[in-house]
Amino acid sequence: DQQVKQNSPSLSVQEGRISILNCDYTNSMFDYFLWYKKYPAEGPTFLISISSIKDKNEDGRFTVFLNKSAKHLSLHIVPSQPGDSAVYFCAASLLSGNTPLVFGKGTRLSVIA
Amino acid sequence: KAGVTQTPRYLIKTRGQQVTLSCSPISGHRSVSWYQQTPGQGLQFLFEYFSETQRNKGNFPGRFSGRQFSNSRSEMNVSTLELGDSALYLCASSLGAGTYGYTFGSGTRLTVV
Repeated sequence: DQQVKQNSPSLSVQEGRISILNCDYTNSMFDYFLWYKKYPAEGPTFLISISSIKDKNEDGRFTVFLNKSAKHLSLHIVPSQPGDSAVYFCAASLLSGNTPLVFGKGTRLSVIA
Repeated sequence: KAGVTQTPRYLIKTRGQQVTLSCSPISGHRSVSWYQQTPGQGLQFLFEYFSETQRNKGNFPGRFSGRQFSNSRSEMNVSTLELGDSALYLCASSLGAGTYGYTFGSGTRLTVV
């Protein structure tokens, strides 16, 4: 049973537009959520995180929104750039990060110039 | 400062053999976690070591084992390799136990033939 789901395997967006990547989770005990970006032949790189006590966290072009009642989070990238093309993984943890991360299967984002 | 170093980068092994992968964490980091990434499966947690003790273990068979040394370097071993063990094995280190400040290495690509 997959506890963290990214239902869109891929997404294409025009350069300069907004990219919205979605993630759903089933375990209501998750209280810490992260997004990672992964380029081919490299390890995942931390992008942004959010604690369940917040509903939004922003870092430059990246904003994560958390809707606890819907068990849904999303990553917004504005404006999208060709260098953002990568696989994005959503991950969740219990106890404020004291348990292993549970990852989704990833969404491949392609930003077209 | 140097990042997380995983060796070797690539490995080809024959079914039935065993393999040992190595991970050197960022200097000062005491926690090392291992994940397996297979096509379409996202990242699945294998185990976490903190101060030479296994702190958490994922749902993998006993053929998968690991250890951590006093200098925080970690090794994982897979015995009696199966074709399905072909994957990218990723190591992540953090300062303390848990997932805060996780930094991933570039991984070891294992192919079992």
